[in-house]
Amino acid sequence: NAGVTQTPKFQVLKTGQSMTLQCAQDMNHNSMYWYRQDPGMGLRLIYYSASEGTTDKGEVPNGYNVSRLNKREFSLRLESAAPSQTSVYFCASSEPRTGHPYEQYFGPGTRLTVT
Amino acid sequence: QKEVEQDPGPLSVPEGAIVSLNCTYSNSAFQYFMWYRQYSRKGPELLMYTYSSGNKEDGRFTAQVDKSSKYISLFIRDSQPSDSATYLCAMNKGDMRFGAGTRLTVKP
Repeated sequence: NAGVTQTPKFQVLKTGQSMTLQCAQDMNHNSMYWYRQDPGMGLRLIYYSASEGTTDKGEVPNGYNVSRLNKREFSLRLESAAPSQTSVYFCASSEPRTGHPYEQYFGPGTRLTVT
Repeated sequence: QKEVEQDPGPLSVPEGAIVSLNCTYSNSAFQYFMWYRQYSRKGPELLMYTYSSGNKEDGRFTAQVDKSSKYISLFIRDSQPSDSATYLCAMNKGDMRFGAGTRLTVKP
């Protein structure tokens, strides 16, 4: 049981390049999330998917797109990377259960640098 | 003003000390309050979870919620070097909101 996995672990992009961050979970969770973590800002929600086939914007969606490929996989795409998107990106998943409706399980993160 | 405020520290204590970590918030609609622990270069993991006001204890860890003051705390008793990590508060009613995290170092 690997939990939540993310690829790649590290990436350096030049301004204007595009890339897709991959996320997969093997816990049969319905909900998946993409966050970015910046110093002094905490975790901020980019996009989430409450279930397969649905996606919604979070707090900071500009410059990103997502795809919920199936129940296991949720990808994040940067179409034209900007230095402001330099950050650590975390994928998470959750499944409401009695007494713990909002517990989220996080992946190990992708460190992205845009030069 | 951020919805969730957390002192980023860093906080350094000797082994065995009692540690107090705190967050304040502005949205009175929050009902679920959580503490996540994040080791360096890892993803956050859920440490403690409380609903509404009150205390919850789990081993050396105690979480307190005071909804009247919009203030939550995490206490760590008999702190260990293995407790060295960043601690993130989080709260939820619909969307999750995280604090910036407090970096804690426990020195042997």
